[in-house]
Amino acid sequence: NAGVTQTPKFRILKIGQSMTLQCTQDMNHNYMYWYRQDPGMGLKLIYYSVGAGITDKGEVPNGYNVSRSTTEDFPLRLELAAPSQTSVYFCASSYSPGGGDTGELFFGEGSRLTVL
Amino acid sequence: GQQLNQSPQSMFIQEGEDVSMNCTSSSIFNTWLWYKQDPGEGPVLLIALYKAGELTSNGRLTAQFGITRKDSFLNISASIPSDVGIYFCAGQANTNAGKSTFGDGTTLTVKP
Repeated sequence: NAGVTQTPKFRILKIGQSMTLQCTQDMNHNYMYWYRQDPGMGLKLIYYSVGAGITDKGEVPNGYNVSRSTTEDFPLRLELAAPSQTSVYFCASSYSPGGGDTGELFFGEGSRLTVL
Repeated sequence: GQQLNQSPQSMFIQEGEDVSMNCTSSSIFNTWLWYKQDPGEGPVLLIALYKAGELTSNGRLTAQFGITRKDSFLNISASIPSDVGIYFCAGQANTNAGKSTFGDGTTLTVKP
């Protein structure tokens, strides 16, 4: 199993550009999340989804959009990139139906985004 | 929103020493989790705690779920160089669809 796969690993954007961070998981998890990690800080929740077709805002959703058309995929969209969005973005998933909910989040390797 | 205060922010220790770090919250959590993040990687779960007062070990790691449900600590005994990394606590409330609130992390440096 690949687990949680994120692409791209690195990206440099100019102010005002848009892009999509891709995330896919092969663990049949219902829940998926996007976090951002700024230097010296913990992870802040941007958006999350409890299943296909359902998304909700987290702690820091401004400037981002998400969609969840399938169980496996949860892309994060930045429409008008700003320097404040320079960060490392982590996608995570959890909870297999029938497998119980341990609370554990499985993370991808992260996508490092720089906005200049 | 919910906030976690994790301390210390960083630690520089000698190989073989024991390490202790903790998290406190203004809110009650029903699950506490401790993760470790290696450079260039995502966090990986070390220990999960589900009951107030619970004490759980994983090799040289021991974690406890505070009685008040507002705090947790993690101990690492006999540290080794590969313990280097960032350690995060995370709390979950039952009704939050698995959403975790993370502390700001403790960066551990182990000198051989």
